[in-house]
Amino acid sequence: SQKIEQNSEALNIQEGKTATLTCNYTNYSPAYLQWYRQDPGRGPVFLLLIRENEKEKRKERLKVTFDTTLKQSLFHITASQPADSATYLCALDIHLGNDMRFGAGTRLTVKP
Amino acid sequence: DTAVSQTPKYLVTQMGNDKSIKCEQNLGHDTMYWYKQDSKKFLKIMFSYNNKELIINETVPNRFSPKSPDKAHLNLHINSLELGDSAVYFCASSQDTTGSGELFFGEGSRLTVL
Repeated sequence: SQKIEQNSEALNIQEGKTATLTCNYTNYSPAYLQWYRQDPGRGPVFLLLIRENEKEKRKERLKVTFDTTLKQSLFHITASQPADSATYLCALDIHLGNDMRFGAGTRLTVKP
Repeated sequence: DTAVSQTPKYLVTQMGNDKSIKCEQNLGHDTMYWYKQDSKKFLKIMFSYNNKELIINETVPNRFSPKSPDKAHLNLHINSLELGDSAVYFCASSQDTTGSGELFFGEGSRLTVL
């Protein structure tokens, strides 16, 4: 069966450390993968997109990797801050961008 | 201006009623979606519309019907509401229908069925 799994439901880290979130998938062959941030009571907000032919993508303190052999994406937040506390969702393209499937999310808490 | 706006933000209703949630996007996007986020926070696609044509119709009960009067609007009608329909419903839009377009989400409509 097709699955998208994010490694843990919750992740707690200390301010200044690097947060690493994992997204694994099975029985999908996505052309690209996206990461979103969702704050309580709000809609998800797009952060980064990485294509199947890209190994790594960076944006400010964010870094995403995509390993199509392992069927895994890693999402890193360096020099984390309490303001980074939120739920982070990975999403896979299933059908030419018209069908994005989401993982259940990882709730990140960055403690001062 | 809000890019993707949906109303109402909160909706409390009785079982068996019919209700609608409206969505409008001012981004000029071609594709709009409805997602359902349940109590476990799992975000699941329900419908995808491109230029007023239904593309994706995930396995949702036929009590749910999307209506797109024009490219900028995608409303969700729900008939004979059930307790299990309680969730947060998100409208979204994207520009690039060939793939890779980021999704722009509304703020969500929390539906509570009593």
